[in-house]
Amino acid sequence: AQKITQTQPGMFVQEKEAVTLDCTYDTSDQSYGLFWYKQPSSGEMIFLIYQGSYDEQNATEGRYSLNFQKARKSANLVISASQLGDSAMYFCAMREGTGGYNKLIFGAGTRLAVHP
Amino acid sequence: KAGVTQTPRYLIKTRGQQVTLSCSPISGHRSVSWYQQTPGQGLQFLFEYFSETQRNKGNFPGRFSGRQFSNSRSEMNVSTLELGDSALYLCASSLSLAGSKGGEQFFGPGTRLTVL
Repeated sequence: AQKITQTQPGMFVQEKEAVTLDCTYDTSDQSYGLFWYKQPSSGEMIFLIYQGSYDEQNATEGRYSLNFQKARKSANLVISASQLGDSAMYFCAMREGTGGYNKLIFGAGTRLAVHP
Repeated sequence: KAGVTQTPRYLIKTRGQQVTLSCSPISGHRSVSWYQQTPGQGLQFLFEYFSETQRNKGNFPGRFSGRQFSNSRSEMNVSTLELGDSALYLCASSLSLAGSKGGEQFFGPGTRLTVL
């Protein structure tokens, strides 16, 4: 069964507008972490934002915010004021448990295209 | 602070050969994880090393192996290469504080392996 689901293979947004990229997850652990990464065409994975399962506030990092709805098991990424440089693949990922392990489970990704 | 470095960036091999990829983590990071990215399977966890010990392994055949040195640098080896091993291999380093914000993983630029 898919543990991380990103239902939008591709998204388009106009420059300066906001966009929401969807992510749902499946875990039976009480403690877990959720991440979003950006992968430009160069291939490097760029860390954007992190949300811990016990964090009560939604995480924010500059123009990125994570809309965390624990009961719905969703962790959507919101990018405000899109820029042309935001065009890339975006991956949602989860780390389960607190065993000190760093195994990330990734979704299939969403390709975002920002139009001028 | 220098980021994660991976060498080589590109590699072409033929079936049956073996290959060794190298990863140098961010200074002070003791955890190194390896991921394989292919168009068909997406991003998949290979293994994680911490203090020279493999502490987590993904679902890959024994042809995939790795090690970590005392300076935290890590190598990944693939023996008897198959066409399906063609992929982008990404290395990530972490302070290894699972469950906290400090546990985010920082990725290198990847090594693109082509098997002919």
